Amino acid sequence: DIQMTQSPSSLSASVGDRVTITCRASQGISNFLAWYQQKPGKVPKLLIYAASALQLGVPSRFSGSGSGTEFTLTISSLQPEDVATFYCQKYNSAPLTFGPGTKVDIK
Amino acid sequence: QVQLVQSGAEVKKPGASVKVSCKASGYTFTSFDINWVRQATGQGLEWMGWMNPNSGNTGYAQKFQGRVTMTRNTSKSTAYMEVSSLRSDDTAMYYCARVGYNLLPDYWGQGTLVTVSS
Repeated sequence: DIQMTQSPSSLSASVGDRVTITCRASQGISNFLAWYQQKPGKVPKLLIYAASALQLGVPSRFSGSGSGTEFTLTISSLQPEDVATFYCQKYNSAPLTFGPGTKVDIK
Repeated sequence: QVQLVQSGAEVKKPGASVKVSCKASGYTFTSFDINWVRQATGQGLEWMGWMNPNSGNTGYAQKFQGRVTMTRNTSKSTAYMEVSSLRSDDTAMYYCARVGYNLLPDYWGQGTLVTVSS
């Protein structure tokens, strides 16, 4: 099975900072990569699909890029409401493995 | 509006089985796959498998094959996920999710907490 990794596992940044999270697949997955945001006690929320397509209603400060094995999620200007854990997920074929997550908080 | 409503919290002993239900409303149940995802407290998301409610076809993550069974009752628009031979590390929140047009979950159930404890 394809393994998914994320880095960093956690980060602390100031409001307004640009934040980048990396997700890597152990084999190529084309652009079948999604990003989710999960706040404590809540279900995951889809932010990005097809590596770079913004889900309807998601603020434009979120963006995704990459293809093949390396992907990034960028928050252009971190806001207090962005405090959450972010997960990537491959969906080219089963199993639809999630990355281990990146916890983002405010410095 | 689309809703997925899951059954309530369960407490089970090691070795027992648990069956979680996920009742769909607001759309045609047989038109969208269902995924099951679990999350242990303070841990990450773990994809368990999928089910096509129309055909009943299923696919499981290798880790769960032989111990997890996903079924449905189309007349009740309800999906079920059963885990057998429960262990303490099966203690987690279990979510069902509808797979939308972009092949990803677009609606989630509220989650069902399963606690395995002697």
